[in-house]
Amino acid sequence: DIQMTQSPSSLSASIGDRVTITCRASQSISRYLNWYQHKPGKTPDLLIYGASTLQSGVPSRFSGSGSGTDFTLTISSLQPEDFATYYCQQSYNSTKTFGGGTKVDIK
Amino acid sequence: QVQLVQSGAEVKKPGASVKVSCKASGYTFDSYGISWVRQAPGQGLECMGWISVYYGSTNYAQNLQGRVTMTADTSTNTAYMELRSLRSDDTAVYYCVREGGDCSGGTCYYYFQHWGQGTLVTVSS
Repeated sequence: DIQMTQSPSSLSASIGDRVTITCRASQSISRYLNWYQHKPGKTPDLLIYGASTLQSGVPSRFSGSGSGTDFTLTISSLQPEDFATYYCQQSYNSTKTFGGGTKVDIK
Repeated sequence: QVQLVQSGAEVKKPGASVKVSCKASGYTFDSYGISWVRQAPGQGLECMGWISVYYGSTNYAQNLQGRVTMTADTSTNTAYMELRSLRSDDTAVYYCVREGGDCSGGTCYYYFQHWGQGTLVTVSS
């Protein structure tokens, strides 16, 4: 299985902060990388697919970049509704493994 | 609209098996694969594997090989996930998921788009 490693595992930030989360794949996955936002009691919401394509309806403060093994999710100006756990996921093969998650909470 | 409705919560003893169902509606069932994802308490998301509903072929996470079986019944539009030899660390919420995809740029990118409501499986003696 392809291993996905996210960092940091948690971070504290304030409203308006720029937040960056990184994700590294154990082998090259081209741009087959998705990002999800997950809030307690809900199912995950897709934010970005293809490493950088914003899912319809997702605010433009979210952006993704990278290819190969190293990827980044950036929130340009953190909003109250963005406090959640974020997961990267490789879609290079059919068992679409997730990273360990990054919990973003209020400083 | 696409809906995935899962079976109810289960309580099992260690060593037992559990079979979770996922009934699909709102789309052509055998046009999409179904993945299974679980989340243990306080832990992250774990993709357990995938079944091609059309072909019946499967791919399982290496750490679950030999304990998990995914099947799909096209006559009832229902997918199943069976996990055997249950242990306490199998306690989790189990989700079925249907993919979506975008092939507009020439390369197809797939992602998890539609989720079941989740089934809590508790393994306890």
